[in-house]
Amino acid sequence: GQNIDQPTEMTATEGAIVQINCTYQTSGFNGLFWYQQHAGEAPTFLSYNVLDGLEEKGRFSSFLSRSKGYSYLLLKELQMKDSASYLCAVYTGTASKLTFGTGTRLQVTL
Amino acid sequence: GAVVSQHPSRVICKSGTSVKIECRSLDFQATTMFWYRQFPKQSLMLMATSNEGSKATYEQGVEKDKFLINHASLTLSTLTVTSAHPEDSSFYICSARATDEKLFFGSGTQLSVL
Repeated sequence: GQNIDQPTEMTATEGAIVQINCTYQTSGFNGLFWYQQHAGEAPTFLSYNVLDGLEEKGRFSSFLSRSKGYSYLLLKELQMKDSASYLCAVYTGTASKLTFGTGTRLQVTL
Repeated sequence: GAVVSQHPSRVICKSGTSVKIECRSLDFQATTMFWYRQFPKQSLMLMATSNEGSKATYEQGVEKDKFLINHASLTLSTLTVTSAHPEDSSFYICSARATDEKLFFGSGTQLSVL
């Protein structure tokens, strides 16, 4: 079966840095996505990692270690608008099915 | 970037009626589309994978006769919730896979069954 774990909730201060972890145990691995989702809206794409290492994109960075089944999303210079749910999702199988983790609700405070 | 249009964005219907949700990829061809359901404060749960011109593949526990999926063209997939009941009330989201393997999501449909 597929198992993708993330912390349920996190709180951080505006201007700070926060790291959201994701561990996965899946049958097959074709890549890992991070999405941001505000309440009542569809997810928006943040990053896609296929190879090990760090991918940096502005204030957001994503890291992947395939051997450890581990990824993290790093958000720098936090802003209030970053308060949202962050979803880790893994591509698995020959059909490239995307399975989502439980999501992490991030609350940014003043 | 790629755009996926989903409508309606919100629908309220009576119990026992059917509701159709459309998902269109506007500027790219999507051979594969996915349908997800999301309950409040929960993550997205994959319902089915839809491939153009073939029958959809449903996830375990999803009734294929209740959630009818049609993917007749490379840019359009539809989900019909037949004989809807209050427990079917949820946020339904489609996504389309582009040739570079990225997934783009529709804006979602909030279904409320009275």
